[in-house]
Amino acid sequence: DQQVKQNSPSLSVQEGRISILNCDYTNSMFDYFLWYKKYPAEGPTFLISISSIKDKNEDGRFTVFLNKSAKHLSLHIVPSQPGDSAVYFCAARGTSGTYKYIFGTGTRLKVLA
Amino acid sequence: NAGVMQNPRHLVRRRGQEARLRCSPMKGHSHVYWYRQLPEEGLKFMVYLQKENIIDESGMPKERFSAEFPKEGPSILRIQQVVRGDSAAYFCASSPQGGYEKLFFGSGTQLSVL
Repeated sequence: DQQVKQNSPSLSVQEGRISILNCDYTNSMFDYFLWYKKYPAEGPTFLISISSIKDKNEDGRFTVFLNKSAKHLSLHIVPSQPGDSAVYFCAARGTSGTYKYIFGTGTRLKVLA
Repeated sequence: NAGVMQNPRHLVRRRGQEARLRCSPMKGHSHVYWYRQLPEEGLKFMVYLQKENIIDESGMPKERFSAEFPKEGPSILRIQQVVRGDSAAYFCASSPQGGYEKLFFGSGTQLSVL
């Protein structure tokens, strides 16, 4: 029962262009979402978050969009840089139960120089 | 200003042995989460603990796995009688209060079962 899904396992983008990573969720009780970046042999590092009361949050080159009706969020990276090449995970937290964070399966981004 | 510390980084065990993975959260953090990443897969939630309490262990196998976060000392994830399928990267994360906060992750422990 995968409540948070990242349907694209991989994505290749040219340096300088926009990278768009997508994430879908099934549980309407999720109300806080985060994106993490992970390099090989390292732990995930936090990128950006968004709460369900917003539809957009921006931090430098990173913007997250949330479409609650579609249960969909996306991470935009503009412009993409070779150092952005990593695996990106989205995560969601619910308003009920124990408030644990559920992670998606990840999307491997490769930015081509 | 140390981050989340996990040790060991690499752990090799033979089938049937016990594995103990340690996690020291960031200073001031009282909530710890454990996740497992199998090869080519995402981060699977295992257990969520607060000091001296298990909040949610719904992601942890019922047998052979246990976790604790004592009042003093690190959080421990214990795997008894390891099998080859336990080979994975185990990540620990911490947060200050368990509210609407980001998680801070450690570098992980890579467990290899021979």
